[in-house]
Amino acid sequence: AQSVTQLDSHVSVSEGTPVLLRCNYSSSYSPSLFWYVQHPNKGLQLLLKYTSAATLVKGINGFEAEFKKSETSFHLTKPSAHMSDAAEYFCVVSPYGQNFVFGPGTRLSVLP
Amino acid sequence: NAGVTQTPKFRVLKTGQSMTLLCAQDMNHEYMYWYRQDPGMGLRLIHYSVGEGTTAKGEVPDGYNVSRLKKQNFLLGLESAAPSQTSVYFCASSSIQGSQETQYFGPGTRLLVL
Repeated sequence: AQSVTQLDSHVSVSEGTPVLLRCNYSSSYSPSLFWYVQHPNKGLQLLLKYTSAATLVKGINGFEAEFKKSETSFHLTKPSAHMSDAAEYFCVVSPYGQNFVFGPGTRLSVLP
Repeated sequence: NAGVTQTPKFRVLKTGQSMTLLCAQDMNHEYMYWYRQDPGMGLRLIHYSVGEGTTAKGEVPDGYNVSRLKKQNFLLGLESAAPSQTSVYFCASSSIQGSQETQYFGPGTRLLVL
């Protein structure tokens, strides 16, 4: 069975400081992994995805994530937070492209 | 391209009423999904479809039915709404192109069941 754990339900950072949102997964297969962002009262938008190519994946808005198979992790980072980054972030695992399993989400707050 | 659209955007139902949520995509995607989103629980898959005429149960299918009569449309039905079905419903679609699958989401439908 596949599952996704997002270790923090809420992360708060100051504007201009680094962001780290943690994600661990379990999967019987070599999965595809995704990070989606959801701004308040909006739909979900794809930030980045890992599909067995480079382990360091760059996404939109300065975000990137590193796939570490030995740690079964896919943490999302950004060097410098912006106020517009405040949103809910979901880590998603897709073991074979038909099913997508979502983590519970991490709410990111950015303080001025 | 409009991408993925959902109708309606918001609806209030009384317990026991029925309704259908419509999802449409214009990207010629094979796969379509219905999720519900509840606070602190992320998105949970209700039903999905891997092609026209086929549907399958997801994680939380009880109380819902779906149909995929046309490739571009995926309907979610509530035959007898219950307050526990108050949620935000998201439709998504995806297409397998090698290993580049990505889901595209609609804007969501907010449903309140009184």
